Amino acid sequence: ETGVTQSPTHLIKTRGQQVTLRCSSQSGHNTVSWYQQALGQGPQFIFQYYREEENGRGNFPPRFSGLQFPNYSSELNVNALELDDSALYLCASSYDTHTGELFFGEGSRLTVL
Amino acid sequence: GENVEQHPSTLSVQEGDSAVIKCTYSDSASNYFPWYKQELGKGPQLIIDIRSNVGEKKDQRIAVTLNKTAKHFSLHITETQPEDSAVYFCAATLGSAGNMLTFGGGTRLMVKP
Repeated sequence: ETGVTQSPTHLIKTRGQQVTLRCSSQSGHNTVSWYQQALGQGPQFIFQYYREEENGRGNFPPRFSGLQFPNYSSELNVNALELDDSALYLCASSYDTHTGELFFGEGSRLTVL
Repeated sequence: GENVEQHPSTLSVQEGDSAVIKCTYSDSASNYFPWYKQELGKGPQLIIDIRSNVGEKKDQRIAVTLNKTAKHFSLHITETQPEDSAVYFCAATLGSAGNMLTFGGGTRLMVKP
């Protein structure tokens, strides 16, 4: 158990729709990172939030956006869904932006039809 | 940006044998190299990590070696057990940027009893 929970675990959307994925970090962890993991591939960095501000971003378009709240919860929002957005979305928390270990949740599996 | 290559993609060993997984990275500024284990239906979990000022690190049956000049690092598992069966990912920091990670493509390790 990492203490990081994600919801929903599975969801199905259609192309063009919008989705919100939620994450609850470990208490005391000020940093949350989101990763996209396509089937059979390694996780790909989307962005990182530190104390409610975006701290870094990977190679993802602006239709991927996030929010982090003071109560250690966070959201990943994806607009105008495309078929290629089908993947496992992983949330990872850490104490800060430099401490090595990331604590991952079990992910939200998104299917876009 | 950083690119991490991982080999092999699948590895099958007999229980008790050793397993070695190798990774190369492209950004010489990367300074932190973790290894994660992902079991079916779960998020990745850190098993060992190494920083750029160290050449080798060991934790019981697991060891990691780093060659900064050649930009490659390896995971060694000795005396493998069936419960070691999982997908293993290497990762490197995006430049020297804290804990924002680029992951390799993964190695599916199967330990046959």
